Amino acid sequence: GQQLNQSPQSMFIQEGEDVSMNCTSSSIFNTWLWYKQDPGEGPVLLIALYKAGELTSNGRLTAQFGITRKDSFLNISASIPSDVGIYFCAGQLGGSQGNLIFGKGTKLSVKP
Amino acid sequence: EPEVTQTPSHQVTQMGQEVILRCVPISNHLYFYWYRQILGQKVEFLVSFYNNEISEKSEIFDDQFSVERPDGSNFTLKIRSTKLEDSAMYFCASKQGTTETQYFGPGTRLLVL
Repeated sequence: GQQLNQSPQSMFIQEGEDVSMNCTSSSIFNTWLWYKQDPGEGPVLLIALYKAGELTSNGRLTAQFGITRKDSFLNISASIPSDVGIYFCAGQLGGSQGNLIFGKGTKLSVKP
Repeated sequence: EPEVTQTPSHQVTQMGQEVILRCVPISNHLYFYWYRQILGQKVEFLVSFYNNEISEKSEIFDDQFSVERPDGSNFTLKIRSTKLEDSAMYFCASKQGTTETQYFGPGTRLLVL
């Protein structure tokens, strides 16, 4: 099946540091989404990207849809303790009914 | 803000039993999905549903699984005869239109003993 390679798998950072994570695939996606998941809860949408090259911000979060449509990155600036959680990228293939393919997640830990 | 709701939040069942997981999608949404997440793993697509029929399903969604929209608000996932490996979090999601993004419910944690 389709695969999204998400990296890094985990990150341990100091409060105030910037964070960067990315997803790559051999397939072309027409939508890239970034979700955050807290333990025992459902994924919460952070940023949605619909066009190749699109750069979108949501507060301290910035994400980009790669020009090749095969990758995306998420940056978090000036991290705070509540940024702790697992971040998932998800892509939607063209022609699909919208089912999302998820990356394996990046577990973020922030030290105060 | 409207949200997707799911019940129950937790379900424990014996192997071989039938379970029904319930979801109430956001009211003006037209596309509905079920995903599952085995503990510590990524979220996996199970099935999509539109216009009262399944539009796409994954290999995971075998004959033991079925979905239904019994009325104008509920969307259910039934597992006919549960197996140990069905233990997972099950997430319902919905979206309004073809280009919209999906919103996820809080999940039902299913434990099969």
